[in-house]
Amino acid sequence: DQQVKQNSPSLSVQEGRISILNCDYTNSMFDYFLWYKKYPAEGPTFLISISSIKDKNEDGRFTVFLNKSAKHLSLHIVPSQPGDSAVYFCAASGYGGSQGNLIFGKGTKLSVKP
Amino acid sequence: EPEVTQTPSHQVTQMGQEVILRCVPISNHLYFYWYRQILGQKVEFLVSFYNNEISEKSEIFDDQFSVERPDGSNFTLKIRSTKLEDSAMYFCASSEQAGSIQYFGAGTRLSVL
Repeated sequence: DQQVKQNSPSLSVQEGRISILNCDYTNSMFDYFLWYKKYPAEGPTFLISISSIKDKNEDGRFTVFLNKSAKHLSLHIVPSQPGDSAVYFCAASGYGGSQGNLIFGKGTKLSVKP
Repeated sequence: EPEVTQTPSHQVTQMGQEVILRCVPISNHLYFYWYRQILGQKVEFLVSFYNNEISEKSEIFDDQFSVERPDGSNFTLKIRSTKLEDSAMYFCASSEQAGSIQYFGAGTRLSVL
């Protein structure tokens, strides 16, 4: 039962261009969404989050967009840098904030080429 | 910058043996979690812990698993009798509150032979 889906296992982008990573979810009770970045041999590192009461959150080069009607969120990285190359995980939690456990997608491996 | 630390980084054990994975959460955090990632699969929630008791657990977290906060700093995951399918990366995480940002450790790679 995949409640959080990342349908693209990999993405390759040229340095300086925009990277767009997508995530879909099925459970309408999710009310908090996060993106994590993971390098090999390290744990997931928090990147950016968005509450379901918002449709956009921006932090420097990273912007997350949430479309609740479509149950879809995306992470935009502009401009992409070679150091952004990593696996990006979308995660969701919810049930009114009482449940802290995160439901993760399978991840998208981003490669930013110089 | 405060971080979650996990030891050991790699644990090799024989099937049927007990293992204890250790974590030191960020000091002012009150909620603690264990997740695992089997090779090639997604990160999966195991258990959350607050106020010295389990607040939620997944169906993966069966009677073979237990968690403990033996002192004011450590948070442990014990697997009583390991199975081959327990081989995975185990991540500890902590957060200030339920539903707030969770910060993850680097993980312990458990290899069951």
